Amino acid sequence: DAGITQSPRYKITETGRQVTLMCHQTWSHSYMFWYRQDLGHGLRLIYYSAAADITDKGEVPDGYVVSRSKTENFPLTLESATRSQTSVYFCASRETSGRAKNTGELFFGEGSRLTVL
Amino acid sequence: QQQVKQSPQSLIVQKGGISIINCAYENTAFDYFPWYQQFPGKGPALLIAIRPDVSEKKEGRFTISFNKSAKQFSLHIMDSQPGDSATYFCAASTSGGSYIPTFGRGTSLIVHP
Repeated sequence: DAGITQSPRYKITETGRQVTLMCHQTWSHSYMFWYRQDLGHGLRLIYYSAAADITDKGEVPDGYVVSRSKTENFPLTLESATRSQTSVYFCASRETSGRAKNTGELFFGEGSRLTVL
Repeated sequence: QQQVKQSPQSLIVQKGGISIINCAYENTAFDYFPWYQQFPGKGPALLIAIRPDVSEKKEGRFTISFNKSAKQFSLHIMDSQPGDSATYFCAASTSGGSYIPTFGRGTSLIVHP
């Protein structure tokens, strides 16, 4: 299916374990983003990527690692999960060419709910 | 420092009423102000957006009002419907900053039948 897909949708893990959340988009959008959503905090940017092999920190990057070897994939890794990383994680993408160049619209996946015990 | 402040945190409105959500920002370089709508279990989706060269934008029952001097903008939902029950996020970004948005903390809207 076309669009942006996240996996897994639900994950329970234990403190100290490594977890990778996957994000795949079929549009070939240039920009990709990872946000976490927590009650009372809204959406906070973890990392973003302007293109393959280009990534940059957002507001809350500590404890997270990203990579982007291919335009369509943007995995987020929690190297050693902590309880404070229990959250809903959203991946998003944005086009930067053509008609969408100046709209700024982000397209979000359906989220990955992570629980760290 | 919270760059985009959103209020209220939650809002309950009767069917047919007007829902109003307010946002304020600090960074005068912001030049793109979108609102996103999020239903339970789903990702946010763009609802409506405005640029500072206009004071109001309307799309159906949804209107953004923008006050550049006060650095405030608001979302008005006219004739609110139960199907409008969702979480609403305001955001702000700069075209020079590649439109990377800073989001408000969200407003949970419940519209009673």
